[in-house]
Amino acid sequence: RKEVEQDPGPFNVPEGATVAFNCTYSNSASQSFFWYRQDCRKEPKLLMSVYSSGNEDGRFTAQLNRASQYISLLIRDSKLSDSATYLCVVNGVYNFNKFYFGSGTKLNVKP
Amino acid sequence: DADVTQTPRNRITKTGKRIMLECSQTKGHDRMYWYRQDPGLGLRLIYYSFDVKDINKGEISDGYSVSRQAQAKFSLSLESAIPNQTALYFCATSDFSGTEASEQFFGPGTRLTVL
Repeated sequence: RKEVEQDPGPFNVPEGATVAFNCTYSNSASQSFFWYRQDCRKEPKLLMSVYSSGNEDGRFTAQLNRASQYISLLIRDSKLSDSATYLCVVNGVYNFNKFYFGSGTKLNVKP
Repeated sequence: DADVTQTPRNRITKTGKRIMLECSQTKGHDRMYWYRQDPGLGLRLIYYSFDVKDINKGEISDGYSVSRQAQAKFSLSLESAIPNQTALYFCATSDFSGTEASEQFFGPGTRLTVL
């Protein structure tokens, strides 16, 4: 079983739509959670960390559900520039040594 | 200038050749990582290092070796390249607050093709 699993998509949405992605993780003792954005053939970049109480950054909202072992990302009012692959990342249990990456969810925002 | 740089950016080599990928960072981070990315598989950890005297294997270290020459430099070597090592390779760095994981900063990637 993979450490982190995501629906690969693609999610094809019109501009202005609201779209949500989920990601599940296998290790219940995981401590830190992140969403990264990756543009085609580019390096991943941090979009936002995910906190237990949930957090919001502009049009982006991240939630953590420890009981069900999943995290979510909600994007409101989608822009063309939001088109990218979104990677779910979970940090290892001991000493925060390792980061485990999901394979990514591709989002296409269309005019 | 970029905080994390990788050289070369693109490389085509032949089976059996030795190749080295280099990574340098100016962020002053102690922790450095090498990943490979394959379509549909996400990023997988090859090696990681917490300082110049600390090297650890990741989940897919077979066929690879690393050298941490200085805090700012972390090199990845393929001793005898094979075609299934064709992938996009990323170097990353991170800080550590002592209580939680910090953001990772990635280099621009090296696209390696083994023929």
